[in-house]
Amino acid sequence: GDSVTQMEGPVTLSEEAFLTINCTYTATGYPSLFWYVQYPGEGLQLLLKATKADDKGSNKGFEATYRKETTSFHLEKGSVQVSDSAVYFCALPGGNAGNMLTFGGGTRLMVKP
Amino acid sequence: GAGVSQSPSNKVTEKGKDVELRCDPISGHTALYWYRQSLGQGLEFLIYFQGNSAPDKSGLPSDRFSAERTGGSVSTLTIQRTQQEDSAVYLCASSLGPVGFGANVLTFGAGSRLTVL
Repeated sequence: GDSVTQMEGPVTLSEEAFLTINCTYTATGYPSLFWYVQYPGEGLQLLLKATKADDKGSNKGFEATYRKETTSFHLEKGSVQVSDSAVYFCALPGGNAGNMLTFGGGTRLMVKP
Repeated sequence: GAGVSQSPSNKVTEKGKDVELRCDPISGHTALYWYRQSLGQGLEFLIYFQGNSAPDKSGLPSDRFSAERTGGSVSTLTIQRTQQEDSAVYLCASSLGPVGFGANVLTFGAGSRLTVL
């Protein structure tokens, strides 16, 4: 079935460093792709999404481009802040009829001042 | 409501007891999902409700787990005869429709942390 694979963490960076969290997918067709973020003690919230190939999703300084050539949807940010410390999940529709989200294992980001 | 509400936020129970976890989705959202997040693990799909259709129970790990959704709104996840391996955070999410279609996205609650002693 459709699935996503993302890099394992934790990723530890200093403030203002450049961030990349890799995500690759396996899918039949071209599903929408999502990044969700989970801040400490909170539920998941949508960070950004892209609905078709070559689309770029962006939010809060984060970006991810849907690349069908490399089946990737890597998350990037040019300058991270301490407040970006969280767990990031890549996801795509899956299940019996593509009606639910299948998530990657999550990548913990820790940003040090 | 403004967001997805889950209760209790924390539940500690003894092995063998039954527990009920409640989810109140966003008003008007026809799709409701339950996921489980174990320590150090990703998110595991449990069950999906869409309107009045029969739920997709394909993710329930055993027959000790069940869920219902009354009136197309509030949902209750029940775990019978809890085991220590059931300890996890149980997340509920809702959306306007199935996430595989259109611009539908999941909105999650803060979760219910279950600890089975």
